[in-house]
Amino acid sequence: KAGVTQTPRYLIKTRGQQVTLSCSPISGHRSVSWYQQTPGQGLQFLFEYFSETQRNKGNFPGRFSGRQFSNSRSEMNVSTLELGDSALYLCASHQTTRFGTQYFGPGTRLLVL
Amino acid sequence: KNEVEQSPQNLTAQEGEFITINCSYSVGISALHWLQQHPGGGIVSLFMLSSGKKKHGRLIATINIQEKHSSLHITASHPRDSAVYICAVKVGDYGKLTFGQGTILTVHP
Repeated sequence: KAGVTQTPRYLIKTRGQQVTLSCSPISGHRSVSWYQQTPGQGLQFLFEYFSETQRNKGNFPGRFSGRQFSNSRSEMNVSTLELGDSALYLCASHQTTRFGTQYFGPGTRLLVL
Repeated sequence: KNEVEQSPQNLTAQEGEFITINCSYSVGISALHWLQQHPGGGIVSLFMLSSGKKKHGRLIATINIQEKHSSLHITASHPRDSAVYICAVKVGDYGKLTFGQGTILTVHP
């Protein structure tokens, strides 16, 4: 099976712009979770999608949003970018059982100038 | 206080040494993950535990639910084990993970 793919891998934006990141989960996985990793805050949960519905959301401002499509692919969007949004954005796909392992994608590294 | 605490934050070892990384958490959990992250960012899931002990090659993970504590052991450490090891806990049935701050492991030849 192919792993989790994320596009793009690297992105440079300027303050005030918006960005959309994409995640394609492992075939058969219907849940996708998004995480932000920064040197200061470490890894933090953004949101989780299952069957096109957001089922959990972390403590991030409304500028961070996401969606999931019927094929389980997911996108996250950050509007009005701030310098502090510079981070590695990771998605993880998993099966919907309580004990499902999460499989992480390679991440999208976003730099906001 | 963070919900998930790891110790030590930094660990340096000589090749062949036995290594232990500890993780304590303060909430009731449904599962605990041990993750490995190499420079460049990619995260690999090493173990997912809800009770007892698991072993994979030179890696062993244990969890004590009553004490809210887990350990990751590496036997006969090797320079290729150098990475950041992250403990993460899951509460309930949903996918949200809460992470420890990570342990930076460096193994010298």
